[in-house]
Amino acid sequence: DVKVTQSSRYLVKRTGEKVFLECVQDMDHENMFWYRQDPGLGLRLIYFSYDVKMKEKGDIPEGYSVSREKKERFSLILESASTNQTSMYLCASSLWQGSSSYEQYFGPGTRLTVT
Amino acid sequence: RKEVEQDPGPFNVPEGATVAFNCTYSNSASQSFFWYRQDCRKEPKLLMSVYSSGNEDGRFTAQLNRASQYISLLIRDSKLSDSATYLCAGGMGGYNKLIFGAGTRLAVHP
Repeated sequence: DVKVTQSSRYLVKRTGEKVFLECVQDMDHENMFWYRQDPGLGLRLIYFSYDVKMKEKGDIPEGYSVSREKKERFSLILESASTNQTSMYLCASSLWQGSSSYEQYFGPGTRLTVT
Repeated sequence: RKEVEQDPGPFNVPEGATVAFNCTYSNSASQSFFWYRQDCRKEPKLLMSVYSSGNEDGRFTAQLNRASQYISLLIRDSKLSDSATYLCAGGMGGYNKLIFGAGTRLAVHP
């Protein structure tokens, strides 16, 4: 069974704080993804990584950065948290396949509130 | 136009009913498709992959119509426990990204 874990289920931070969200997967997947999910907007891709130290911007990267120093771990960083970053953050991982896409497996999510 | 679109619902159906959702996609080059189920305040969980030849798993059937660019999910004999949001996803190639629809909410009532 694929297991994707996230460091916190619930997090409350103040505006301007630096926030780290951690994600770990145990299935040796090449790809890892960070999404945010907001009511009515669905899942929006923030960043993804297809290899260690490699990263690509998704659809909404502004205000975020990522780090992938080890294959199993992918971190999302909010450099200076703002209230509009209050959201559910979901990490996912998948195998890499040339021209197609394997299914993604999600972690339990981190519900972040910025006050 | 969104790359993957779903009717948000909600679909309110009685137990035992058959219900079907469609999901349209705009990129004709998409190769792989999936249905996910998401319970309230939980993560999406893979329900089933969608193959060109169709795919059936118990009460659930997924189909792909490439000519009209949509995928469908049919749920037979609905159970109360089927109440959830169903997300469709299409693979758009290039680093194996998936594009998700915003989800269709299903509410099964007694």
